[in-house]
Amino acid sequence: EIVLTQSPATLSLSPGETATLSCRASQSVTNYLAWYQQKPGQAPRLLIYDASNRATGISARFSGSGSGTDFTLTISNLEPEDFAVYYCQQRRNWPLTFGGGTKVEFK
Amino acid sequence: QVHLVESGGGVVQPGKSLRLSCAASGFTFRNYAMHWVRQAPGKGLEWVAYIWHDGSNKDYTDSVKGRFAISRDNSNNMVYLEMSSLTAEDTALYYCARGIRLYGDTLNHFDHWGQGTRLTVSS
Repeated sequence: EIVLTQSPATLSLSPGETATLSCRASQSVTNYLAWYQQKPGQAPRLLIYDASNRATGISARFSGSGSGTDFTLTISNLEPEDFAVYYCQQRRNWPLTFGGGTKVEFK
Repeated sequence: QVHLVESGGGVVQPGKSLRLSCAASGFTFRNYAMHWVRQAPGKGLEWVAYIWHDGSNKDYTDSVKGRFAISRDNSNNMVYLEMSSLTAEDTALYYCARGIRLYGDTLNHFDHWGQGTRLTVSS
């Protein structure tokens, strides 16, 4: 099973700042990595698929990069609605796995 | 627009069985792989099961293999999760999610999710 480790667990930032979230895989997932946003009481929402492709309707403030084992989600110019939990997920191998999440909170 | 609505959750005793359902609308259901993903209270996301667009291929996370069975009815745009021998560790919010379909290929990332149905296993 591929283990995804997200860091940091919590990121304390202010609106307007840039968030940099990391996801590290225990073995290569090539570029088969997605990012999701989840707000309290809501279902997750797909942001990025295959490492760097924005999903339909996702703001250009969200960008993904990386390949192999190291991936980054960057959220530029944080807006109030961006404060949420973010998960990465790999589709390279079965079982599909998620990272433990990074919470982006108000500083 | 794409709509996924889960149902069937509830409170069940350990060792019992339950079937979850997911009603899909707003897209050509028979063309898409479907998944179940769960989230235990206060915890992260865990992929549970998957079924190919025509039902010909399925897979499960190890902890539910032999206990859970995923199925679909493409005539009625439904996907199901039959769960048996339930334990407290199965307590979670269960989401139905659609796999991405891009240029005819299936990508096992999830582009649409339902709001979930809650399962509590407790005596």
